[in-house]
Amino acid sequence: DADVTQTPRNRITKTGKRIMLECSQTKGHDRMYWYRQDPGLGLQLIYYSFDVKDINKGEISDGYSVSRQAQAKFSLSLESAIPNQTALYFCATSDPPYTDTQYFGPGTRLTVL
Amino acid sequence: GQQVMQIPQYQHVQEGEDFTTYCNSSTTLSNIQWYKQRPGGHPVFLIQLVKSGEVKKQKRLTFQFGEAKKNSSLHITATQTTDVGTYFCAGPMDSSYKLIFGSGTRLLVRP
Repeated sequence: DADVTQTPRNRITKTGKRIMLECSQTKGHDRMYWYRQDPGLGLQLIYYSFDVKDINKGEISDGYSVSRQAQAKFSLSLESAIPNQTALYFCATSDPPYTDTQYFGPGTRLTVL
Repeated sequence: GQQVMQIPQYQHVQEGEDFTTYCNSSTTLSNIQWYKQRPGGHPVFLIQLVKSGEVKKQKRLTFQFGEAKKNSSLHITATQTTDVGTYFCAGPMDSSYKLIFGSGTRLLVRP
């Protein structure tokens, strides 16, 4: 799973600040995803991208934006962070049509004060 | 909308006891996947079930997919401390390759 990396791994920021979380993958997968994990709520899909020119909103996209800079890079931005965006954020990739199994990065723990 | 529900939310067992987590979807699934997340870690794919009534085993773990392809279970025989973590089921959203995850079952094992 070192094939999917995320930076930073931990971040503390203040309300109103802009923050970017970055994801890189060496798996060669076209599909990339951003998830948010809150305790007891499982994983919620924020945005997903099926290729460089295709970006789609997930279940909870409000307050977030993304950029797919290349096949290997998918960034998540919080334009104006708020405390209820404090969560664990995961990037993932998948490689259909053979499978929709998802490969997760190590996660970024974000705290908004 | 489409939902995947998982119970129980927590299970605390004595080492050596068995453990089962159940997953139920509001819609029929083309497949169901199971993931394990160790404390402080990230979800890691365990297995995918595709066929109605399918049963797969991985050592002490037994996975089942219901006949109607709307429910699934993961059973661990004789738990060990290495089994500690949160187990998630996930199914495809609609006919796409997006997954909808259950809320997970957190397993704690007393040595």
